Amino acid sequence: KQEVTQIPAALSVPEGENLVLNCSFTDSAIYNLQWFRQDPGKGLTSLLLIQSSQREQTSGRLNASLDKSSGRSTLYIAASQPGDSATYLCAVTGRDDKIIFGKGTRLHILP
Amino acid sequence: DADVTQTPRNRITKTGKRIMLECSQTKGHDRMYWYRQDPGLGLRLIYYSFDVKDINKGEISDGYSVSRQAQAKFSLSLESAIPNQTALYFCATSDLATNYGYTFGSGTRLTVV
Repeated sequence: KQEVTQIPAALSVPEGENLVLNCSFTDSAIYNLQWFRQDPGKGLTSLLLIQSSQREQTSGRLNASLDKSSGRSTLYIAASQPGDSATYLCAVTGRDDKIIFGKGTRLHILP
Repeated sequence: DADVTQTPRNRITKTGKRIMLECSQTKGHDRMYWYRQDPGLGLRLIYYSFDVKDINKGEISDGYSVSRQAQAKFSLSLESAIPNQTALYFCATSDLATNYGYTFGSGTRLTVV
């Protein structure tokens, strides 16, 4: 059974710092991996989607990497801003088309 | 207009009542999903549908039913609401054209008293 773990559960960093959020999964037979952002009480906004054949995707200050063999993905945020404060969720789609979410990392950027 | 629209946004209902949450999408996606989110438990899949004639149970389908009225519409019903169904409910869509990346609605906050 696929399990998705995100560490740490919460993170506070000063504005301007570069930071890395981690996601690990137990079954490497995945179709894709997606990173989302969720603001309190709001829906999920897709940030980056990495296909199983890809190693990374970039969008603006965000870069996501995927290492299937080790069951890991990282989300790198450059030059963090207070507006980046949110919960970041990782989700993997298995070959059985089932999508499993991690419980998220709650990020707080200190002004 | 939002690509994935959920109604209502907020709802308070009494134990034992039947309630329907609705989801409509303008993205033309084949696949639609219903999730619930609870603090500390993350997102859990209730039901999903890969096309109009296809309905599948997720990991927590007990107490829920769904209807895929059209490609663009997927509704979730609670036949007899109970307090532990209080949660934030999300509808999502995906499609081969987007490599099955998800698009989420804004959510329905349901409170059962």
